[in-house]
Amino acid sequence: NAGVTQTPKFQVLKTGQSMTLQCAQDMNHNSMYWYRQDPGMGLRLIYYSASEGTTDKGEVPNGYNVSRLNKREFSLRLESAAPSQTSVYFCASSAGSTTSGNTIYFGEGSWLTVV
Amino acid sequence: GENVEQHPSTLSVQEGDSAVIKCTYSDSASNYFPWYKQELGKRPQLIIDIRSNVGEKKDQRIAVTLNKTAKHFSLHITETQPEDSAVYFCAAKTPLSGNTPLVFGKGTRLSVIA
Repeated sequence: NAGVTQTPKFQVLKTGQSMTLQCAQDMNHNSMYWYRQDPGMGLRLIYYSASEGTTDKGEVPNGYNVSRLNKREFSLRLESAAPSQTSVYFCASSAGSTTSGNTIYFGEGSWLTVV
Repeated sequence: GENVEQHPSTLSVQEGDSAVIKCTYSDSASNYFPWYKQELGKRPQLIIDIRSNVGEKKDQRIAVTLNKTAKHFSLHITETQPEDSAVYFCAAKTPLSGNTPLVFGKGTRLSVIA
């Protein structure tokens, strides 16, 4: 049981390049999330998927797209990377119920640098 | 939407002393309040949580208290140890729909000085 797995762990991009961060969970969770973490800014939600087939914008969605490929997988795409997207990205998942299973489990993070 | 404010942003305590981190939330309908600990270079991990029908919850050296009237909740760590040094995040969740995301505070960097 690996939990939440995200790849790559480290990536350096040039401005304007595109890339996709991959995320998969093996906990049969309904909900999946992408957060970015910057110094002093906490964890900011980029996009989330409440259930398979749905995606919604979070607090900072500009410059990103997502795909909920199936119940296990939720990818984050940067179409044209900018230095402001240099950050640590965390994928996460939760069972999603309001009465139980609210715990969010995070992946190990992806360190992205845009030069 | 929900807004969560967390104070202080940094906290230094002597080993053995207590540490208290406070958070306020804006949406009175929020009903779930977890705390996450993030060690340097690691992922955030849940350490304790509380629901709105409970006023206090303890787990060994950590406790969380909730004041629904004032819309604030706090994390208390007693007998702090160097391994408690980390960034701590509070969060809140509203029950508008089953899968609305948690809203996180900006974090508190706790340093325990040996």
